[in-house]
Amino acid sequence: GQQVMQIPQYQHVQEGEDFTTYCNSSTTLSNIQWYKQRPGGHPVFLIQLVKSGEVKKQKRLTFQFGEAKKNSSLHITATQTTDVGTYFCAGPTYNFNKFYFGSGTKLNVKP
Amino acid sequence: DTAVSQTPKYLVTQMGNDKSIKCEQNLGHDTMYWYKQDSKKFLKIMFSYNNKELIINETVPNRFSPKSPDKAHLNLHINSLELGDSAVYFCASSQQLLNEQFFGPGTRLTVL
Repeated sequence: GQQVMQIPQYQHVQEGEDFTTYCNSSTTLSNIQWYKQRPGGHPVFLIQLVKSGEVKKQKRLTFQFGEAKKNSSLHITATQTTDVGTYFCAGPTYNFNKFYFGSGTKLNVKP
Repeated sequence: DTAVSQTPKYLVTQMGNDKSIKCEQNLGHDTMYWYKQDSKKFLKIMFSYNNKELIINETVPNRFSPKSPDKAHLNLHINSLELGDSAVYFCASSQQLLNEQFFGPGTRLTVL
C-alpha cells in the first residue's frame, strides 16, 4: 500500500485563496522534500526540511516538518494561476534504504 | 544545456518486445535513479545507483534491468514488455543519495 499519503487528493481554489496540502507517512522519515509537477511535466524540487519541527518559507509558500518527522504540510498564500500543478512530498527512511513519494495533491486555480 | 535528458520521449511497442530507455545527466552528480509514474500519477522509485553501484533495488520484476556504464548514464532495459508496464518513466539524479533530485523530462511508454 501507499506509505505516504497526502490530503486532499484534489483542490480547486479561486485565484487569491489560500491552499494547504498535508503529508502523512506511516514511518519516520530522515527528511522531507517537496516537489511540484506541472501538467505534462516532470517533478521539480522545491525544498528540503531536515529537522523535527522545522519551518521554511519561500515567498508565498510555507513548509513545515512535524515533530515526529512523520508528517509535513505545504501552505500557499494567495494562490496564483502559476501555482497549478500536483504537489508531492517525498522522503527517505532513516537508514536511507527506502524512498517514498506521497500520493500527491493536484491543485487547480481558477482565474 | 539540459541537465537530465532521456531518450526516447515516447515509446510505443507491442507486448513481448524488449526495449531500452537511456538517461544522461551533465550535473556531475554521483547518484541516479529510475522512477515509474502510473496512470494515477503515483511515483515509485525503482532503482538507485550511487557511483555506478546499485543502492536501491525496489521490488520490480526482474524483466527490468538498470545499467550504469558510467556516473553520468543510467539506462533502463525492459524485457518481455507487458501491458502493465505502460507508464511514464522518469530518470533523476542528485549530488547526495536521496537528497534534492533533478528529474528528466520522462519517457511515456505505451505497451499495446
